[in-house]
Amino acid sequence: SAVISQKPSRDICQRGTSLTIQCQVDSQVTMMFWYRQQPGQSLTLIATANQGSEATYESGFVIDKFPISRPNLTFSTLTVSNMSPEDSSIYLCSGARQGRTGELFFGEGSRLTVL
Amino acid sequence: GENVEQHPSTLSVQEGDSAVIKCTYSDSASNYFPWYKQELGKRPQLIIDIRSNVGEKKDQRIAVTLNKTAKHFSLHITETQPEDSAVYFCAASIPAGYSTLTFGKGTMLLVSP
Repeated sequence: SAVISQKPSRDICQRGTSLTIQCQVDSQVTMMFWYRQQPGQSLTLIATANQGSEATYESGFVIDKFPISRPNLTFSTLTVSNMSPEDSSIYLCSGARQGRTGELFFGEGSRLTVL
Repeated sequence: GENVEQHPSTLSVQEGDSAVIKCTYSDSASNYFPWYKQELGKRPQLIIDIRSNVGEKKDQRIAVTLNKTAKHFSLHITETQPEDSAVYFCAASIPAGYSTLTFGKGTMLLVSP
C-alpha cells in the first residue's frame, strides 16, 4: 500500500486565522486528493491536487477558501483560510496509484478545531 | 453526478453473528466499488473492493456482492469479532479519467462480546 503522511495531526485554531496542512506521499502515488470529514459524517472530496497547476475543486469548494498547492509529485498542501467554527473537521490527504482506478489510500488526517 | 446510499446507519450484533451492510448507487457507469473501514480516530482503510466485471469477492471473513442490474452492492462480515467494530464506508467510482470516489454516509458497526 502507498505511504501517505500528513501534518499537523491536530490543531486548535482561532476564528479568522488560516492553517496549512502538509501531505507527503511516496513515489507510488500519482494522483493526490483532499477530503473533508465533518464530525460523524462521511468523506467529501474538496479538490484534486494537480502537479504544477491549479487544483480542480468540487462543487461547494473554492480556491479562495481552500487554496491547494502541489509543487511536485509527492508533496501537497491544503490551506483552510479565514477559519470559522464550521470549518472544524478532519482534513484527509489521499492518493491513488497509476492504473488503479478508484483505489485510494488515506493519510491519518488533520483534526482541526476552530474556536 | 454519482449518488451512493448506505444502510443501515448503525448496526449492533453479537460476537459471532453475521453483519450485512448495503449500498445503492445511481450512475450505471460506475465500475469500481470499494469498502473502507475506519476505526475511531484512525484513517479509512480499504478492506475489500469489487469491480463491475465480477459479482462476488471474498477475503476470509468478509465478502462483497455486486448486482449491476439493481445497482446495489453489499458487504458481508461473518463470525464478527469485537475488533470489527468500526465505521464502514462504501463508495463508487466512475471512469472519469482520474480516480475519484463518492462515499456513502457510513455504517457504525458495534460488535458486542
